[in-house]
Amino acid sequence: SQTIHQWPATLVQPVGSPLSLECTVEGTSNPNLYWYRQAAGRGLQLLFYSVGIGQISSEVPQNLSASRPQDRQFILSSKKLLLSDSGFYLCAWREKDTGNTIYFGEGSWLTVV
Amino acid sequence: GQQVMQIPQYQHVQEGEDFTTYCNSSTTLSNIQWYKQRPGGHPVFLIQLVKSGEVKKQKRLTFQFGEAKKNSSLHITATQTTDVGTYFCASEGYNFNKFYFGSGTKLNVKP
Repeated sequence: SQTIHQWPATLVQPVGSPLSLECTVEGTSNPNLYWYRQAAGRGLQLLFYSVGIGQISSEVPQNLSASRPQDRQFILSSKKLLLSDSGFYLCAWREKDTGNTIYFGEGSWLTVV
Repeated sequence: GQQVMQIPQYQHVQEGEDFTTYCNSSTTLSNIQWYKQRPGGHPVFLIQLVKSGEVKKQKRLTFQFGEAKKNSSLHITATQTTDVGTYFCASEGYNFNKFYFGSGTKLNVKP
């Protein structure tokens, strides 16, 4: 069966510090991978998605970046965090082709202070 | 950008009352999915609707897909405290690799 792991679960970072959130998927190959952000009490905003190694599509311009160095590894980064980067970050995977379900990791709570 | 709009943003009901959330799109959707996110958790898949006018039921939950495949609804009959959470509709973009969520409806059920 497929599993998705995301870490760290929570972190508190000062403004201007770097960020790295990591996500790995097991039990599937060549999945589509996604990063979403959810501000407190708000909806899910699609940040990045990837259809393959090294292929990253950005949905919203911001000071975040994503990378996919391996087929089942997806990394969300920032060189300098802003207060507005605080939120709940969710990694997700989905098999290619239309109509497939999306599966989420447990999420990472980021507080920028 | 976002494919679907969802209303209401919040709903507070007394246990036993019904609840409905609606999703609307300006474009025809190939399919629509519904997810539930419990407080502090991550969204979990509930159901997918594909056909025009489709209606599916899961116990007290009824899901509908509009005839024009531009809107959908989730109706909960006789809510229980276990129904508390945020309900999202979701759909693919024109490029099915993208996957967008509605803004969600946060349901609070008073015992």
